[in-house]
Amino acid sequence: DGGITQSPKYLFRKEGQNVTLSCEQNLNHDAMYWYRQDPGQGLRLIYYSQIVNDFQKGDIAEGYSVSREKKESFPLTVTSAQKNPTAFYLCASSIFISNRRQGTGEKLFFGSGTQLSVL
Amino acid sequence: KNEVEQSPQNLTAQEGEFITINCSYSVGISALHWLQQHPGGGIVSLFMLSSGKKKHGRLIATINIQEKHSSLHITASHPRDSAVYICAFRTGNQFYFGTGTSLTVIP
Repeated sequence: DGGITQSPKYLFRKEGQNVTLSCEQNLNHDAMYWYRQDPGQGLRLIYYSQIVNDFQKGDIAEGYSVSREKKESFPLTVTSAQKNPTAFYLCASSIFISNRRQGTGEKLFFGSGTQLSVL
Repeated sequence: KNEVEQSPQNLTAQEGEFITINCSYSVGISALHWLQQHPGGGIVSLFMLSSGKKKHGRLIATINIQEKHSSLHITASHPRDSAVYICAFRTGNQFYFGTGTSLTVIP
């Protein structure tokens, strides 16, 4: 089955520590995204990548870094500079589709998320 | 500034009730998405619509492009429909998301 795999499901960070969240997709999608979800707020974009070896900052990129060395992989590093990292992190990909049943536009696919907490 | 507004924020219904969730947005868009997030956290895409109405099983999504408004309806609601429903749209290279409507269906 094609999809997006995020790991780990739960992650704990100590003060001053960098941690990396994994995101792997086998959907052959070019576009990938990292979102942060906090209670009572909509998903907020951290970084996105439209193609291998290229990525762009989203609305809340400070304290985070990413890489896109392979099409399938888009890992997110939460650095010690991110002072409030406790949140649910979602990785996503998208692809343009156009058919009668699904409609026309960029369709989103999500991983199952990683809950990051601070020790 | 949140360009997507959803209502209600929370909704509790008895099994079998007809449910409506509303979404208003402030910019011109080409497509509106409805997403479902289950308690485990994963999100699935329910609908992507540009005009009119789409139906999938007991779920119906409608959109009025002129009024910048969309609704998600659930007919004959069931406890397994309990989830957070999120509307979203894409402009430029980014998606923008509503804060979600938390639905609980009681048996």
